[in-house]
Amino acid sequence: KNEVEQSPQNLTAQEGEFITINCSYSVGISALHWLQQHPGGGIVSLFMLSSGKKKHGRLIATINIQEKHSSLHITASHPRDSAVYICAVRSETGNQFYFGTGTSLTVIP
Amino acid sequence: GAGVSQSPSNKVTEKGKDVELRCDPISGHTALYWYRQSLGQGLEFLIYFQGNSAPDKSGLPSDRFSAERTGGSVSTLTIQRTQQEDSAVYLCASSLVRRGQVGYTFGSGTRLTVV
Repeated sequence: KNEVEQSPQNLTAQEGEFITINCSYSVGISALHWLQQHPGGGIVSLFMLSSGKKKHGRLIATINIQEKHSSLHITASHPRDSAVYICAVRSETGNQFYFGTGTSLTVIP
Repeated sequence: GAGVSQSPSNKVTEKGKDVELRCDPISGHTALYWYRQSLGQGLEFLIYFQGNSAPDKSGLPSDRFSAERTGGSVSTLTIQRTQQEDSAVYLCASSLVRRGQVGYTFGSGTRLTVV
């Protein structure tokens, strides 16, 4: 069983739709990261969360520590949001990182 | 530089050869991480350097893999006697602790192909 599970694995949306990507984890964590990887490109760190909610532009990330669950929301989605979104957690006991396998998002004009 | 720089961007090598991958982190970043991403797989943690502390090598898949960080800056990941299963994109990231928060910056990766 993976320490980090993401859903869905693949997601296709129409431009303008509200998108939610979910992440559940089974280990104790000190922080949770949402990463974005464009095809053929590097990886960008979108958010780091240890509690509550963060917002940056059209992106919103939330985390529920008790339920060991995080969500990444994209409002008014745009084709340039098409990418793989990866959830990663940092263990509370050390510097071990666990990664989800990613959610591939395609936004159609 | 402004970002994390990795070289080479692409490397094709013959099975059994040794390879060295280089990472130049952002100046002043105290932490440096190596990951790899195999085709169709998620990111896999390899090794972590923090300041002058002993590195966390818990993610290295075998003793053919080693890494060093010179002077707390540039890092080299070495793979000896490469195997075809070593083919992957090797990613380096660095981070800076700021006000208790940690922001990670990734390099664009080195695509290694073992033939």
